[in-house]
Amino acid sequence: NAGVTQTPKFRVLKTGQSMTLLCAQDMNHEYMYWYRQDPGMGLRLIHYSVGEGTTAKGEVPDGYNVSRLKKQNFLLGLESAAPSQTSVYFCASLQGATGNQPQHFGDGTRLSIL
Amino acid sequence: KQEVTQIPAALSVPEGENLVLNCSFTDSAIYNLQWFRQDPGKGLTSLLLIQSSQREQTSGRLNASLDKSSGRSTLYIAASQPGDSATYLCAVRVGYQKVTFGTGTKLQVIP
Repeated sequence: NAGVTQTPKFRVLKTGQSMTLLCAQDMNHEYMYWYRQDPGMGLRLIHYSVGEGTTAKGEVPDGYNVSRLKKQNFLLGLESAAPSQTSVYFCASLQGATGNQPQHFGDGTRLSIL
Repeated sequence: KQEVTQIPAALSVPEGENLVLNCSFTDSAIYNLQWFRQDPGKGLTSLLLIQSSQREQTSGRLNASLDKSSGRSTLYIAASQPGDSATYLCAVRVGYQKVTFGTGTKLQVIP
């Protein structure tokens, strides 16, 4: 089972460049999430989606945009990359909002902004 | 605001030892608590999920407990092995959009 797949795995950008991170899940999950992980700060929620065509802001949404045109895909965009966005980005999915559903994570995208 | 704390930040034990990792949280109104393992340069692998109505979950050598009233969860690892070396994260869910993660305990099991 592929589960949650993130592309690319690594990327180096220059300040001001743009890029899109792709997350794909094959479990037919309704909810999808983008997190960033920084040393000493834990994972923080950037944006999330509760279904196809919907998106919402998380804890740290500034500088990012997202889209969920298809249920299985959740895209994270950086319009004008800044060094503060250097981080490891994780996508996650969740079947439903009941308490017995575990969250599934991808392997992450390691992004460096120079 | 929910805060999740994991102490210690790092732990080193000899192979074969039983050990306990701690997770504490400030708001007891939770849906569930999930324990993850993260290997260096990798994503998060789910180990155990405890629903708010449950007291514990077990999988192999792992046992996780939950005490909502005191805001605490523990992950017990029996007969530790070098392959258990990783960072262990706990995450508290209070709704479909709100999960708060701890910063993790980095475990090293020495052969």
